[in-house]
Amino acid sequence: EAGVAQSPRYKIIEKRQSVAFWCNPISGHATLYWYQQILGQGPKLLIQFQNNGVVDDSQLPKDRFSAERLKGVDSTLKIQPAKLEDSAVYLCASSSISGPAANEQFFGPGTRLTVL
Amino acid sequence: AQSVAQPEDQVNVAEGNPLTVKCTYSVSGNPYLFWYVQYPNRGLQFLLKYITGDNLVKGSYGFEAEFNKSQTSFHLKKPSALVSDSALYFCAVSPVYHGSGNTGKLIFGQGTTLQVKP
Repeated sequence: EAGVAQSPRYKIIEKRQSVAFWCNPISGHATLYWYQQILGQGPKLLIQFQNNGVVDDSQLPKDRFSAERLKGVDSTLKIQPAKLEDSAVYLCASSSISGPAANEQFFGPGTRLTVL
Repeated sequence: AQSVAQPEDQVNVAEGNPLTVKCTYSVSGNPYLFWYVQYPNRGLQFLLKYITGDNLVKGSYGFEAEFNKSQTSFHLKKPSALVSDSALYFCAVSPVYHGSGNTGKLIFGQGTTLQVKP
């Protein structure tokens, strides 16, 4: 079974530029999550989708961050414009809503963003 | 506010000795509890979870965790540590909301680095 795929793995941009991250979840997983992990901290949920609907985006800075999950499969997370404090690893995770592995989130390798 | 605390930034143990990585949480109700491990340049990997039932949960790679409701703790344990267990460990809690149940959202602690020396 293929895992959660993310790209790019690394990205360096100047502040005020825009950037986009892509995630392909495990096949059949209805729920997809984006987390921000700042160095030395635990991951923080930015947004959660179930199929193509948003379940929770309460911690997404909506003035600069946006995310979509068209067709309920792949997802993109965008930052525009980026700030220095956005430097972090952006993790994508997916989970199924039924079965023995329900509620277990499977994480991708992450995208390390550096904002200069 | 809902939170998860891992009071130790780093835990050092000798190979072959038992290890404990501590976790306490402040979440109302009966949340689901998880442990994840993160190796360098790799994503988080699921170790084990507690939803209900026996307070001692067994997981991957010989790890287990003990749930204590009165102390709101979920400590990770292993009877005999291996050098290959050295990694960053995260405790996470998934709230169960009255009416809507569990949405899957995870609240993570700040992580504990486990260093196992030969």
